Amino acid sequence: QKEVEQNSGPLSVPEGAIASLNCTYSDRVSQSFFWYRQYSGKSPELIMSIYSNGDKEDGRFTAQLNKASQYVSLLIRDSQPSDSATYLCAVGLSGGYQKVTFGTGTKLQVIP
Amino acid sequence: DTEVTQTPKHLVMGMTNKKSLKCEQHMGHRAMYWYKQKAKKPPELMFVYSYEKLSINESVPSRFSPECPNSSLLNLHLHALQPEDSALYLCASTPGQDNYGYTFGSGTRLTVV
Repeated sequence: QKEVEQNSGPLSVPEGAIASLNCTYSDRVSQSFFWYRQYSGKSPELIMSIYSNGDKEDGRFTAQLNKASQYVSLLIRDSQPSDSATYLCAVGLSGGYQKVTFGTGTKLQVIP
Repeated sequence: DTEVTQTPKHLVMGMTNKKSLKCEQHMGHRAMYWYKQKAKKPPELMFVYSYEKLSINESVPSRFSPECPNSSLLNLHLHALQPEDSALYLCASTPGQDNYGYTFGSGTRLTVV
């Protein structure tokens, strides 16, 4: 069974700090790795995608992938109260369409 | 246009009703998805259409019936639902080629009474 594991949290960080969210996955042939942000009562929003080992930066967000360790993380620099949400890690295969397995999500709380 | 539009936003239906959820995108995406999400749980895949053909049915009960009339439109027909089917139903799309994450619609909040 393909599994994607995340710490459910809540992860509390003070405003301006770095938030670090982690995700491990079990399927070694996974090719696509995504982070989605979901505010309470809203739909998920794609914030980062990463496909090769290393770091990928986009604004205040950095995704890190280590396929050997089957580990993907998301760093949020200068955390803002508006970053308070549930962050879903999604891992899968692509080829025509995306079929991913979602983790259960980590709830992030940024304390003003 | 970079949106996936879902209607209605909220739906309350009885267990004997028939209703439909609608999803529309004009991004030229060729893969469309239905997901179901219960409170405090991750989205669960229900169906995938790729180039208007049903590619994945994740053993969803027959009371849920998907339809893809054209490349921009995806419907989910509902009939004889149970209270446990109450959830947020999400539509998503991807280009259909290469690696892209989902663009989700805002969802339909379904309550079965």
